[in-house]
Amino acid sequence: AQTVTQSQPEMSVQEAETVTLSCTYDTSESNYYLFWYKQPPSRQMILVIRQEAYKQQNATENRFSVNFQKAAKSFSLKISDSQLGDTAMYFCAFMKRVTGKLIFGQGTTLQVKP
Amino acid sequence: NAGVTQTPKFQVLKTGQSMTLQCAQDMNHEYMSWYRQDPGMGLRLIHYSVGAGITDQGEVPNGYNVSRSTTEDFPLRLLSAAPSQTSVYFCASSYSILAGGPAGELFFGEGSRLTVL
Repeated sequence: AQTVTQSQPEMSVQEAETVTLSCTYDTSESNYYLFWYKQPPSRQMILVIRQEAYKQQNATENRFSVNFQKAAKSFSLKISDSQLGDTAMYFCAFMKRVTGKLIFGQGTTLQVKP
Repeated sequence: NAGVTQTPKFQVLKTGQSMTLQCAQDMNHEYMSWYRQDPGMGLRLIHYSVGAGITDQGEVPNGYNVSRSTTEDFPLRLLSAAPSQTSVYFCASSYSILAGGPAGELFFGEGSRLTVL
């Protein structure tokens, strides 16, 4: 069975600085996707970034980028130039390809301070 | 474009009562699923469906029933509510990956907070 672990329950960062959220996962699969979802206080789940396991290049979306280390089964999220609107809970998630089923980590609460 | 719509957004039940959480999507997605979110545990899959007439169990299916009679709707039923089912529930949908849709992205509803006393 796949597991996803986020070892940082809470983090904080000053506005405009950079922060990295950690995620590790365990799987015997070779074909899968990894995601970071953001959940602001509104409770809405918002996709931040997606990585396909067969792609060696790290995904980027504007201020958000990942460091995907397949051999180490590590998938960290870097947020550059942090903004107050980035304050949210962030979930790392794993999906075995073709299944559509997400396995979530426990979440990291990020607070961006002015 | 409504996306994924969940109702009700809040509900308080007494132990033993039954209720149905409704979920509807207007994106013609084949795949639909229900998750529950509990503090410190992330989101856990309850049931899912890969198309009308097809459902299957997720990680935590006990105490919940689902059916999928149409592509648009995927209701979640609690037949006899228990305090352990106090949680926030999310419905999500996506294109079928087999049909070549966007790889893996789930679209979530706004969540339903259920309290069982």
